[in-house]
Amino acid sequence: DAKTTQPPSMDCAEGRAANLPCNHSTISGNEYVYWYRQIHSQGPQYIIHGLKNNETNEMASLIITEDRKSSTLILPHATLRDTAVYYCIVHHFNKFYFGSGTKLNVKP
Amino acid sequence: ETGVTQTPRHLVMGMTNKKSLKCEQHLGHNAMYWYKQSAKKPLELMFVYSLEERVENNSVPSRFSPECPNSSHLFLHLHTLQPEDSALYLCASSQDGTGGGHSYEQYFGPGTRLTVT
Repeated sequence: DAKTTQPPSMDCAEGRAANLPCNHSTISGNEYVYWYRQIHSQGPQYIIHGLKNNETNEMASLIITEDRKSSTLILPHATLRDTAVYYCIVHHFNKFYFGSGTKLNVKP
Repeated sequence: ETGVTQTPRHLVMGMTNKKSLKCEQHLGHNAMYWYKQSAKKPLELMFVYSLEERVENNSVPSRFSPECPNSSHLFLHLHTLQPEDSALYLCASSQDGTGGGHSYEQYFGPGTRLTVT
């Protein structure tokens, strides 16, 4: 499975957009990019996923570069409740391999 | 509430005990998973069941024994554990994507916090 690289932590002001980057330079053509978050030892929560095209849902937007080697998760208006560890995962069939993620700190 | 429940939420057991963790999903999924999350470490995939058949065992010690009696239930039987097995054990479920090459998101339960003394 492809490995992902994320910054260990980021800060974001409440109400501003949070842009979380992820590098996945060894991704193969049939692997999807998934984003999950985990709030303080709860179970991870699914956010969004995509293959080639940019995606948007009620939680976030996912921007995937044309060469698919990196992606960015965008939380358009971060709130204090968005403080969590965000995981970028490349996924093939049933196997998810989580890395260390990015700890997003949303500050008032 | 994700539609995946786990019991118990907390468990303390001695090294000579036998206990079981239970997971139930109410989402109509046909694939289920066990993960382990130790303190300050990423989630580690332990077992994958697809259509009630075990399809993945990531070099997990035999003191962990999974069981999937039907597509809605998953158990993790524990015996003679070590203190280093103390961790958060997470169950997840999804649609099975292996046949058609599709990809489906996994839904996680709240986890069982296990402490081995």
